[in-house]
Amino acid sequence: SQELEQSPQSLIVQEGKNLTINCTSSKTLYGLYWYKQKYGEGLIFLMMLQKGGEEKSHEKITAKLDEKKQQSSLHITASQPSHAGIYLCGADAGTASKLTFGTGTRLQVTL
Amino acid sequence: GAVVSQHPSRVICKSGTSVKIECRSLDFQATTMFWYRQFPKQSLMLMATSNEGSKATYEQGVEKDKFLINHASLTLSTLTVTSAHPEDSSFYICSARGRQAVSYNEQFFGPGTRLTVL
Repeated sequence: SQELEQSPQSLIVQEGKNLTINCTSSKTLYGLYWYKQKYGEGLIFLMMLQKGGEEKSHEKITAKLDEKKQQSSLHITASQPSHAGIYLCGADAGTASKLTFGTGTRLQVTL
Repeated sequence: GAVVSQHPSRVICKSGTSVKIECRSLDFQATTMFWYRQFPKQSLMLMATSNEGSKATYEQGVEKDKFLINHASLTLSTLTVTSAHPEDSSFYICSARGRQAVSYNEQFFGPGTRLTVL
């Protein structure tokens, strides 16, 4: 079965600083999804990547999928308190119609 | 955008009772719905996949007699936790996928239901 490992597990950054979260898969990724979750709430879709080398941006968040399609990174520029939450990557292994989720990265942004 | 609701958002019940959680797609037809469970500070664990009009497919280790899933219509799926026990206390999240999905696995998530069994 596919496994997704995220690093770091938790992160505390000062407002205005940049940060990167990584998601590494044990198998080739056919689709990689990034979600954000506030504590005790559902998941908010951020971005989806499918092609090796693909990069997408939305506001201050950029996600990339490496050429080999086994790792993705999520980069936040000039972090704000509103960026705080849990970031989860989800992967489509291509052989089953379901997503496997990563271990999650808990982000705190201090003033 | 596609909206998925869950009801109730929070429920507290006594041990031994059954609890039903509803998941509704509000503005699209959900051909497939997924039920996840999330423990504190952990990731989402897929419990089962349900397709409208057919029996749910449960993940390994999930008791289908304990977690009853019904997907009777294209906008509603229910999860019933039967004879709940304190270890069933968790955060349950549903997601839905429609016919117009951009990608095969595009899912829209509900806000979750926090179940506490006393």
